[in-house]
Amino acid sequence: QVQLVESGGGVVQPGRSLRLSCAASGFTFTRYAMHWVRQTAGKGLEWVAVISHDGRSDNYADSVKGRFSISRDNSKTTLFLDLHNLRAEDTAVYYCAREQISYSRSSGLGYWGQGTLVTVSS
Amino acid sequence: DIQMTQSPSSLSASVGDRVTITCRASQDIRTYLSWYQQKPGKAPKLLIYSASGLQSGLPSRFSGFGSGTDFTLTINSLQPDDFGTYYCQQSASFPHTFGQGTKLEIK
Repeated sequence: QVQLVESGGGVVQPGRSLRLSCAASGFTFTRYAMHWVRQTAGKGLEWVAVISHDGRSDNYADSVKGRFSISRDNSKTTLFLDLHNLRAEDTAVYYCAREQISYSRSSGLGYWGQGTLVTVSS
Repeated sequence: DIQMTQSPSSLSASVGDRVTITCRASQDIRTYLSWYQQKPGKAPKLLIYSASGLQSGLPSRFSGFGSGTDFTLTINSLQPDDFGTYYCQQSASFPHTFGQGTKLEIK
């Protein structure tokens, strides 16, 4: 079955960096675009970034553009999110999610990980 | 960016009721619309994709409808396990914005 397991969250000071990972299994990783979505405590969902199945293209939310970078290692079926110049408002649970339909980037998010908490605080 | 507006923000309904949640996009998104259910402390779960496609394994009492700017999620014969917060999301253009959520309480 499809499994997505995030790791790398923690407490980090403002201005510092962090790398999140998402280990994927149970499906052909190279066929699916992958996304990051975040959720602040008690608030709604915010889409963060997407990377194409082959890693050649990506897109970001305006709130993270220039500070966050999404990447993937298809040989290790792992998705990454590098967070730089972190701000207090980046504090959230970060979910990785798999595209619903292979080779699409617009079919919805069919599978989600359990999330990893990032807290930005001095 | 495309804005997604859900209504109502919250509602309370009884087991067996039919519930409808509405999602409106600020511009035409064709059928690039998904619906998710989220329970406290859990990740969201996809219910409906491409406006009306039912995710595999889900009961047919969940249904989606719409195209362009106006969409609905309908839950027929509400069950106790249907509580949670429901979100719509557009995937017509980046960023793939979510609605603000609709909290469903079972009476």
